[in-house]
Amino acid sequence: DVKVTQSSRYLVKRTGEKVFLECVQDMDHENMFWYRQDPGLGLRLIYFSYDVKMKEKGDIPEGYSVSREKKERFSLILESASTNQTSMYLCASSQIQGGGWNTEAFFGQGTRLTVV
Amino acid sequence: AQSVTQLGSHVSVSEGALVLLRCNYSSSVPPYLFWYVQYPNQGLQLLLKYTSAATLVKGINGFEAEFKKSETSFHLTKPSAHMSDAAEYFCAVTTPGSARQLTFGSGTQLTVLP
Repeated sequence: DVKVTQSSRYLVKRTGEKVFLECVQDMDHENMFWYRQDPGLGLRLIYFSYDVKMKEKGDIPEGYSVSREKKERFSLILESASTNQTSMYLCASSQIQGGGWNTEAFFGQGTRLTVV
Repeated sequence: AQSVTQLGSHVSVSEGALVLLRCNYSSSVPPYLFWYVQYPNQGLQLLLKYTSAATLVKGINGFEAEFKKSETSFHLTKPSAHMSDAAEYFCAVTTPGSARQLTFGSGTQLTVLP
């Protein structure tokens, strides 16, 4: 089974703290993604990476950064957490097949972050 | 640019009734389309996908969806709802050359009534 593992299911952090969300996948996938999920807004892409040390901004990158030092690991960083970053964060990975983007994305269980 | 609209943020059906969850997409090129399901406190799981082969796609748990280009739709159906189908469902779209990202709809919460 493909596994995407997020290091924490629940986190509570204080405003202004630096927060690290970790994600590891075990299927040698090239692509990794961080999404934010909020009620009524669906999933919104924060950042994605298609190779080690490569990153691309998604739809809502402000206030976030990412790191991909190894193929299997993709970290999301909140440089200075704010209350409006309270949300569910989902990591995903996928593999390109045949040059087309037609494969499924595999998701982690999610990290519910509360910033107080 | 690509986008997805899911009509109805909440849908309720009786157990045994037809499930119909609506998804319309916008894309300037032929899209790839997906339906994902999210059970409480879990990540997303792929139900089915359309990748330009057969327009009627069958997925897991008895779900299927039909790609209709003329209507730009990809509605999800199941003939007979089961209590275990209660979950949130997301439609998603991507296209070749879209920098490998999925665009998700806002989701539809399905409630199954006994």
